Amino acid sequence: DGGITQSPKYLFRKEGQNVTLSCEQNLNHDAMYWYRQDPGQGLRLIYYSQIVNDFQKGDIAEGYSVSREKKESFPLTVTSAQKNPTAFYLCASSMGYTYNEQFFGPGTRLTVL
Amino acid sequence: DQQVKQNSPSLSVQEGRISILNCDYTNSMFDYFLWYKKYPAEGPTFLISISSIKDKNEDGRFTVFLNKSAKHLSLHIVPSQPGDSAVYFCAASAHSGGGADGLTFGKGTHLIIQP
Repeated sequence: DGGITQSPKYLFRKEGQNVTLSCEQNLNHDAMYWYRQDPGQGLRLIYYSQIVNDFQKGDIAEGYSVSREKKESFPLTVTSAQKNPTAFYLCASSMGYTYNEQFFGPGTRLTVL
Repeated sequence: DQQVKQNSPSLSVQEGRISILNCDYTNSMFDYFLWYKKYPAEGPTFLISISSIKDKNEDGRFTVFLNKSAKHLSLHIVPSQPGDSAVYFCAASAHSGGGADGLTFGKGTHLIIQP
């Protein structure tokens, strides 16, 4: 049963702490993406990776970091430098280079206390 | 500076009628457009897409129309059903350097289907 999994569904952290959000896909997709959604807003691109060991900054990369050591995995770290980290975080993947359709995971709701 | 705009935050339509969701864009480099449906606390689900070389694409009850000169696209749902109640996002893609980068999303339109 192919798909994208994100864990955990809900995450709480104290201000000043780094936290890592997990994203795994078994669709054999080359490209993976991280978006952030705030209430009443569209999705905004944080980082994307078109291939293993390569990633690019999106529109709002400040305060975030990623790695892409394996094709299936694209974890996102929300650092203490991110000023407004409370949001709904969505991971997506696509077949890659010439494919525009992105498929999304269920999301992680991060709340900073 | 919003490159993809959905000017109607919400839309209410009677069951069985046509729902028309609109989207405007400003970036001339966009060449592929997608519509996603999203329920609260879930990831968006891909609905339908259209390439800039076409002006219409149909899939069952869903049709997307693209007017490149007006930089406008619309999603038509006929007939509307209660399960269509959700937030609909318009998204656009521009191929830079040949690769598919991230999508640019509008803020969404909340479609409410009235019984």
